Amino acid sequence: GAGVSQTPSNKVTEKGKYVELRCDPISGHTALYWYRQSLGQGPEFLIYFQGTGAADDSGLPNDRFFAVRPEGSVSTLKIQRTERGDSAVYLCASSLSGGPGDTQYFGPGTRLTVL
Amino acid sequence: DQQVKQNSPSLSVQEGRISILNCDYTNSMFDYFLWYKKYPAEGPTFLISISSIKDKNEDGRFTVFLNKSAKHLSLHIVPSQPGDSAVYFCAASASDMRFGAGTRLTVKP
Repeated sequence: GAGVSQTPSNKVTEKGKYVELRCDPISGHTALYWYRQSLGQGPEFLIYFQGTGAADDSGLPNDRFFAVRPEGSVSTLKIQRTERGDSAVYLCASSLSGGPGDTQYFGPGTRLTVL
Repeated sequence: DQQVKQNSPSLSVQEGRISILNCDYTNSMFDYFLWYKKYPAEGPTFLISISSIKDKNEDGRFTVFLNKSAKHLSLHIVPSQPGDSAVYFCAASASDMRFGAGTRLTVKP
C-alpha cells in the first residue's frame, strides 16, 4: 500500500526566499506530524495535526514557520524568509489516530538546503 | 533540553552476535517508548515499542527492555544480521514524541 510521500525530495533555495514542503499521509490517518532532522541529530518535533487543526505547534521554532492541513489529509509546511540555519531534512509522519503509542509512519523526507 | 539520550553514536558487531543499543531519558511523564530504524535517504521505520507499564517486549529477533527506575531502555537484536546495519533511534512519547540522536549499528559479516 502507499506510504507517506513527501515532495520535493530535495529543495535548494537562497537565503530570504519562501519555500513550501508537501506531505501526503497514509490514507485514513487522522494524525500528521512534522519533524526537522539536522545532521547527526534525531528528528525534532515541529507540529502535530489532528484532522484539520494543529493540536500542538509548540515545536515550531519561530513565526517564520507555518503549516496547514486544510482538508485533513495533505499538509504543507511553509517557511518564510529562509535562513541558512533552516537547512535540514524535514520529515513528515502520519498515524491512524494520534493516540498514545500509536505508531507513526514516516515519509522519506525533504532535504532543504538554504544557500 | 535533551530528554532522550543515546550516548553511543556508533556500534559495531559481528554477524550472529548480540547487538545492544542503549537509551536514557529524563522525563518521567513519558508513557511509551519506541525504536525506529533508519536507512540512508529513507525516513525512520518503526521497529518495536513498549508501554511504560511493561518491562519487556519481544518481537522475533528484537527485544526491548525498560527499566523505569533507572530511566533506561535498551534494544537487543539477536542474532545480528548484516541487513540490520542502519541508524537506530530511540523515541519517547508523552504529549509529543522526542527522539535520541541515534546510534549507527554496523553488523560485519
